[in-house]
Amino acid sequence: GQNIDQPTEMTATEGAIVQINCTYQTSGFNGLFWYQQHAGEAPTFLSYNVLDGLEEKGRFSSFLSRSKGYSYLLLKELQMKDSASYLCAVMDSNYQLIWGAGTKLIIKP
Amino acid sequence: GAVVSQHPSWVICKSGTSVKIECRSLDFQATTMFWYRQFPKQSLMLMATSNEGSKATYEQGVEKDKFLINHASLTLSTLTVTSAHPEDSSFYICSAKRGTSGITTDTQYFGPGTRLTVL
Repeated sequence: GQNIDQPTEMTATEGAIVQINCTYQTSGFNGLFWYQQHAGEAPTFLSYNVLDGLEEKGRFSSFLSRSKGYSYLLLKELQMKDSASYLCAVMDSNYQLIWGAGTKLIIKP
Repeated sequence: GAVVSQHPSWVICKSGTSVKIECRSLDFQATTMFWYRQFPKQSLMLMATSNEGSKATYEQGVEKDKFLINHASLTLSTLTVTSAHPEDSSFYICSAKRGTSGITTDTQYFGPGTRLTVL
């Protein structure tokens, strides 16, 4: 079967760095997405990786290793507003999205 | 647990026809379901929120007469795109919130999406 695994919850301190991991097993691969979702709001697109390596976009970076079925989202200089759920999703060979359950990130002062 | 399915996965239709997309929660009761549109590499755009047994709440700018939503049971919501036009071509994603005895959890479970192409 297909599945995406990511931690349920993480806690970090304001100003610090946090890495949210995502491992996947899917039938085919057409890219991996990271979304941020604040409570009661729609998910916001953060990144899309289809090739191996690190993509940096401001305070957020996303890494992909296709051979390991592994990705991480790196958040630097954490701010209180970064408290949210972070969703990992993989597009499979049928261009269907397989979603992780999301990681709830709690930022403490 | 907490699996959400959508049917069909792909649909191609002629302009002017209507298309129905189903969203099902397979192993839980979903008191609230959401319908989103997604354009490539963009954020999900919430179209409407539907609660079982009541009328859907549409976001500003979404035509309720064009995008008909029915949430007839605790496991099924349908989105019907009426008189579809090429500009309606998009990736439609549903999500569901689990509910138990009137209590709804915050976690949304997302479906795999339906790719609609209108010719």
